[in-house]
Amino acid sequence: AQKVTQAQTEISVVEKEDVTLDCVYETRDTTYYLFWYKQPPSGELVFLIRRNSFDEQNEISGRYSWNFQKSTSSFNFTITASQVVDSAVYFCALSDNNAGNMLTFGGGTRLMVKP
Amino acid sequence: DAGVIQSPRHEVTEMGQEVTLRCKPISGHNSLFWYRQTMMRGLELLIYFNNNVPIDDSGMPEDRFSAKMPNASFSTLKIQPSEPRDSAVYFCASTRDREGTEAFFGQGTRLTVV
Repeated sequence: AQKVTQAQTEISVVEKEDVTLDCVYETRDTTYYLFWYKQPPSGELVFLIRRNSFDEQNEISGRYSWNFQKSTSSFNFTITASQVVDSAVYFCALSDNNAGNMLTFGGGTRLMVKP
Repeated sequence: DAGVIQSPRHEVTEMGQEVTLRCKPISGHNSLFWYRQTMMRGLELLIYFNNNVPIDDSGMPEDRFSAKMPNASFSTLKIQPSEPRDSAVYFCASTRDREGTEAFFGQGTRLTVV
């Protein structure tokens, strides 16, 4: 069975601080896919990044970076120099091979960036 | 591309009434998903269609819930009769028919059953 755990339910930082959101997953498959989504106060779910289980390269996109480590079953997300607009709920999600792209979501981490 | 379109955005209904939520997936996407978001249970998958055929409905909570996809551009999620515990945000999402591809979500329907 699949499981995604986001242990941090809420994080509060001051603008310009760096912040890391943790994600730990469980799956029996050797092929799987990991995702991060952002849910701003307006409520929509916005896709941020996808990683497959064979690609452990870290990725950087502007102020965002992702650290995928199979050895610890983690896929952590770091925001550098946070901004107020980063305030949102962030979800980590997992899709197994042959799961037809069905997603299992973590509980989400609410990030509050204060000016 | 207009993205995934859901209607209505908000729905308030009385307990016992029938509720129908609608979704238009992104053109060319073969897979469609209905998710529900609540404070207690988070985001959970209700049902998954591929090429208009229901593949996995194990997440549908009760017989009061039903979903259809009569064609590639339209799906409905119906609750009959509705109950207060059905109050939630219901999201529709679609993906291309390729393993591991990202899902694009609609803006959701916020359902309140009073």
